[in-house]
Amino acid sequence: DGGITQSPKYLFRKEGQNVTLSCEQNLNHDAMYWYRQDPGQGLRLIYYSQIVNDFQKGDIAEGYSVSREKKESFPLTVTSAQKNPTAFYLCASSPRQAIETQYFGPGTRLLVL
Amino acid sequence: SQQGEEDPQALSIQEGENATMNCSYKTSINNLQWYRQNSGRGLVHLILIRSNEREKHSGRLRVTLDTSKKSSSLLITASRAADTASYFCATGRSEKLVFGKGTKLTVNP
Repeated sequence: DGGITQSPKYLFRKEGQNVTLSCEQNLNHDAMYWYRQDPGQGLRLIYYSQIVNDFQKGDIAEGYSVSREKKESFPLTVTSAQKNPTAFYLCASSPRQAIETQYFGPGTRLLVL
Repeated sequence: SQQGEEDPQALSIQEGENATMNCSYKTSINNLQWYRQNSGRGLVHLILIRSNEREKHSGRLRVTLDTSKKSSSLLITASRAADTASYFCATGRSEKLVFGKGTKLTVNP
């Protein structure tokens, strides 16, 4: 089965803690993205990567970090510097360019304890 | 920055009726896409229309694009209860896809 997987489905973060969200794809796509979605809102771009070992900040990168060591994987770390992390996080991929069709994972809901 | 803005924010119709959602944007685009999101799930791509196209069909979906008015519409014909979801337009420009806030569609059986 080809697709994008995200784990965990739910994640709880304590104050001052860093947490990492996993995103894996087996579509052989070059580009991968992380979005944040707040209730009743659209998606806001956190980070994106168009090639292994390279990534760019999106519109709301502060308090987040990413890595792209493998083509298939694009983990997102929510650091303690992100003061309002409660949201639904969506990972996506596209064959090459961001403006092509993007394929989304099922999402991770992050909650703060 | 959010470029696409959907209208209405929420729409409630009866099964069998048509549903029309609109999207307006501010700057020139390469393409415009529509996505669907069921509650608590990821987004699913529905249709992509390029800036040099005016209309596109896919099954019960019809999308129009008017670049002079910077607007697009998504028509779902003969709606079903299973069409209940949020629908987002996304504008492709430069290196990014920019999403609107979505229209929440409820189809009542």
